[in-house]
Amino acid sequence: GNSVTQMEGPVTLSEEAFLTINCTYTATGYPSLFWYVQYPGEGLQLLLKATKADDKGSNKGFEATYRKETTSFHLEKGSVQVSDSAVYFCALSEQNQGGKLIFGQGTELSVKP
Amino acid sequence: GAGVSQSPSNKVTEKGKDVELRCDPISGHTALYWYRQSLGQGLEFLIYFQGNSAPDKSGLPSDRFSAERTGGSVSTLTIQRTQQEDSAVYLCASSFGGGGKETQYFGPGTRLLVL
Repeated sequence: GNSVTQMEGPVTLSEEAFLTINCTYTATGYPSLFWYVQYPGEGLQLLLKATKADDKGSNKGFEATYRKETTSFHLEKGSVQVSDSAVYFCALSEQNQGGKLIFGQGTELSVKP
Repeated sequence: GAGVSQSPSNKVTEKGKDVELRCDPISGHTALYWYRQSLGQGLEFLIYFQGNSAPDKSGLPSDRFSAERTGGSVSTLTIQRTQQEDSAVYLCASSFGGGGKETQYFGPGTRLLVL
């Protein structure tokens, strides 16, 4: 079945460091890929998405590129801020499965000043 | 505009009792999803409603769990004879359509604790 695997956390970085959170997936069809973020005390919200191979999603300085050949959707940011501290979830959904999201286990990011 | 709302925000119940969790989706959204977030299992899909189609119940963990969506809007998730392993945050999400490319908007969740 479909699945998503993320790098384990927690990840601790200093402010202005480069961030990569790895995400790989297994899918039977052609999924859409998402990064959702959960800030402390807040609900889950979409960070970015890509709906077909080679698409790049971007938002708030974060980027991720849909790589079909490596079945990956790694999240990157060039310079993290303390306010980026949160839990990040990679997820996929397939058109023929109603759009239900399959989530990775989440990666907790802590950015220190 | 108003986002997805859920009630109650917190619920404490005794083992064996029934609980009802409510979700109000964003107006105009035809698709509605329930997920569960727990320490041991992460974020799991439970059930999905799209318009007047039969719901996709493939994620419900047991027959103690059921959900309905009345009038294509509000949804209620019911857990009968609650068990301690049902303790989790129950999240509702809605989207404009039910396709795999749509963004889902999540509510704040209901934190359920079964004693």
